[in-house]
Amino acid sequence: NAGVTQTPKFQVLKTGQSMTLQCAQDMNHNSMYWYRQDPGMGLRLIYYSASEGTTDKGEVPNGYNVSRLNKREFSLRLESAAPSQTSVYFCASSLRQGPLNTEAFFGQGTRLTVV
Amino acid sequence: AQTVTQSQPEMSVQEAETVTLSCTYDTSESDYYLFWYKQPPSRQMILVIRQEAYKQQNATENRFSVNFQKAAKSFSLKISDSQLGDAAMYFCALVAFYGGSQGNLIFGKGTKLSVKP
Repeated sequence: NAGVTQTPKFQVLKTGQSMTLQCAQDMNHNSMYWYRQDPGMGLRLIYYSASEGTTDKGEVPNGYNVSRLNKREFSLRLESAAPSQTSVYFCASSLRQGPLNTEAFFGQGTRLTVV
Repeated sequence: AQTVTQSQPEMSVQEAETVTLSCTYDTSESDYYLFWYKQPPSRQMILVIRQEAYKQQNATENRFSVNFQKAAKSFSLKISDSQLGDAAMYFCALVAFYGGSQGNLIFGKGTKLSVKP
């Protein structure tokens, strides 16, 4: 079982470049999420997709766009990278189908550096 | 709005000893779940323990247990017989239900636990 797979694991971008972080889950989960982790800030929600076909902003959406390509895949795009977007990015998924299915499963993270 | 607060940025414990990590939270919802996640140097987020708000009994998972004080909105994690492999960042997290619909997982800022041999 692969769980949640993110690519790439590491990336260095120049300011102004664009890139897409890919995420796929094989657990038939309804919901998918993108978080960023910064030192001393914990994990902050960028965007989420509660179900296939829907996306919504989280706490820190500025500078990002997302696409829920299908039930399995949820991508995060940086259109014009800025040094403030240097961070570790996590994709997560959850079944989100009632109180018994609250656990979120995480990918291994992408360390992104914008220079 | 929901908040999760971890007031201890760093903690240290001697191997085989017990350590308690603190977490307080705030939510106006009556139906919610609390979690502790562990993040070792590998970056992988690992679920350690989960507590349902409607359960009075504190959750336990082997050496890990929680002290859930609902009225005080406190959710601390106790690690007994600490091992070197317990060294990691620990995040407290909350998910609430709004009229039966699940909200998003909200995290605290984390506590870095060091284990001394």
